[in-house]
Amino acid sequence: GAVVSQHPSRVICKSGTSVKIECRSLDFQATTMFWYRQFPKQSLMLMATSNEGSKATYEQGVEKDKFLINHASLTLSTLTVTSAHPEDSSFYICSARVPSPLSYEQYFGPGTRLTVT
Amino acid sequence: GQQVMQIPQYQHVQEGEDFTTYCNSSTTLSNIQWYKQRPGGHPVFLIQLVKSGEVKKQKRLTFQFGEAKKNSSLHITATQTTDVGTYFCAGGENDMRFGAGTRLTVKP
Repeated sequence: GAVVSQHPSRVICKSGTSVKIECRSLDFQATTMFWYRQFPKQSLMLMATSNEGSKATYEQGVEKDKFLINHASLTLSTLTVTSAHPEDSSFYICSARVPSPLSYEQYFGPGTRLTVT
Repeated sequence: GQQVMQIPQYQHVQEGEDFTTYCNSSTTLSNIQWYKQRPGGHPVFLIQLVKSGEVKKQKRLTFQFGEAKKNSSLHITATQTTDVGTYFCAGGENDMRFGAGTRLTVKP
């Protein structure tokens, strides 16, 4: 199947700093990537949909100025958590959709565990 | 907006017993997908259902999509310890909505 990588896998940062997370599709071009947030033992909450070459579409309640998403190429999307606070600590997972008619399956990256101290 | 409800939240079974998780949507879905997330891992795509009333099988797993395309189920026959994990359904096209997930534990 398609492979999606995510970097870093873990990051600890101090409150007030910014953190960038990269999501790459390794063996396919992903016109659409998704960013999710997952709290322990909970479901995935869609944060935003990232389309290559255009602005990301954010879900209601997600601050676009705090969670900056850039999808500069067909294989790379980045999420930058700006001015991080302890409440931003979470598991962030990206996914990419294989461009195919009538196929909506997503391939997930391994996730990034962010801890803000 | 579209919501996807999933039950039960938890299911603990004895190895060899069957297991079923159910998903219901407030709106008609163009498709529904199922994912499995092992403890400490990330979601892994299992299957996609598109057609009304569709049934698909993967070994001991049976997936169904309701006639109205608003509900779906995943049934595992004779569970094994390797089936442990959280099973999520997800519906939608450009804005995927995940169900809350069903956490399955299997006692050997």
